[in-house]
Amino acid sequence: AQSVTQLDSQVPVFEEAPVELRCNYSSSVSVYLFWYVQYPNQGLQLLLKYLSGSTLVKGINGFEAEFNKSQTSFHLRKPSVHISDTAEYFCAVSDLSRQAGTALIFGKGTTLSVSS
Amino acid sequence: DVKVTQSSRYLVKRTGEKVFLECVQDMDHENMFWYRQDPGLGLRLIYFSYDVKMKEKGDIPEGYSVSREKKERFSLILESASTNQTSMYLCASSLRGSGNTIYFGEGSWLTVV
Repeated sequence: AQSVTQLDSQVPVFEEAPVELRCNYSSSVSVYLFWYVQYPNQGLQLLLKYLSGSTLVKGINGFEAEFNKSQTSFHLRKPSVHISDTAEYFCAVSDLSRQAGTALIFGKGTTLSVSS
Repeated sequence: DVKVTQSSRYLVKRTGEKVFLECVQDMDHENMFWYRQDPGLGLRLIYFSYDVKMKEKGDIPEGYSVSREKKERFSLILESASTNQTSMYLCASSLRGSGNTIYFGEGSWLTVV
């Protein structure tokens, strides 16, 4: 079965610094990959997704992610973070081998804390 | 605009009570989902429905059941609530097929005492 590993549970950074949130998934079979963000006391919001095509995917709020099939990774990056980027970030994969293949399997989340 | 509405943001229930969590979406989506979110565990899929009256178990269905009598509504039922079901519950929906964006509600915080 698919699994998703977010390598860092917490990432503290200073404002305007670059950030990378790391995500690895377990299988090399065809998958769709997603990053979601959750602000305090809210539901999840899609940042970006990879279905096919270019391995570099651009999302909202200046975030981008790169799909690396050989390393089964989908790391999220932003060149310069703002205080408002403080939130929890979830990497997710759509396991196409499952009956419930349209459901997403989520990682445990990475808390990004941006300070001034 | 896309809207997934969970009827209760905060609930407190007693052990052994039957609990209903209601979710409505206004996007005519075929798929609906219930996830549970716990600190350090991320989101875990409880149940998934791909059509009216159709359901599939997720990764942690024990202690839960679901109902989907109408396309827009998906209910999560805790037959006999227990303290280990204290959690945040997230409802979501999407169009049929893989790769489509899944839209989430704001969540229901359930405390079982």
